[in-house]
Amino acid sequence: DTEVTQTPKHLVMGMTNKKSLKCEQHMGHRAMYWYKQKAKKPPELMFVYSYEKLSINESVPSRFSPECPNSSLLNLHLHALQPEDSALYLCASSQRGRGRDNNEQFFGPGTRLTVL
Amino acid sequence: AQSVSQHNHHVILSEAASLELGCNYSYGGTVNLFWYVQYPGQHLQLLLKYFSGDPLVKGIKGFEAEFIKSKFSFNLRKPSVQWSDTAEYFCALSGYSTLTFGKGTMLLVSP
Repeated sequence: DTEVTQTPKHLVMGMTNKKSLKCEQHMGHRAMYWYKQKAKKPPELMFVYSYEKLSINESVPSRFSPECPNSSLLNLHLHALQPEDSALYLCASSQRGRGRDNNEQFFGPGTRLTVL
Repeated sequence: AQSVSQHNHHVILSEAASLELGCNYSYGGTVNLFWYVQYPGQHLQLLLKYFSGDPLVKGIKGFEAEFIKSKFSFNLRKPSVQWSDTAEYFCALSGYSTLTFGKGTMLLVSP
């Protein structure tokens, strides 16, 4: 299985809602990533988990809260988002964490989030 | 620090024309280089990757790229494009600090 799955595919939420995005991989990868992608722009790294520990937080606002319950799962909890947070949220995984060679990241299909 | 620069933001070609998209990188260590494609409304897909060995890398859908270390370049090529190649193309570098993307090149192929 060389797939990263993400749920839901689409999410519409109000600014007062609390929701979660989910990501799963069964490739035995030990690093997992959250990216945010706006239209016509490259993905921007948000968080990196390496061996289930948060290793990188790219100065992301606290209304985004990541969680890695185990080595196969990655969640992104959302609370009090703003309309400008509307974007495609991509999850990725790789065999090893940063600083290692041959570290290909496998991307999921993304969750398209709209904040009203 | 590591960075990736893609030369063209938009490229317009007719079907059957040849394609070359430029990508230059800045990084002092061993690089892993990637080209990703994103079709309209779809997710990122890996076209090809370079880790080591033969600098001419062949990917899916007839794409290839050449790693030229002396020029810090990893240009993407295809001899004959099709309308279905219309998409956004991202060059990316994996160095010490994870994956860095270029700004992307939007390719529009007219039938």
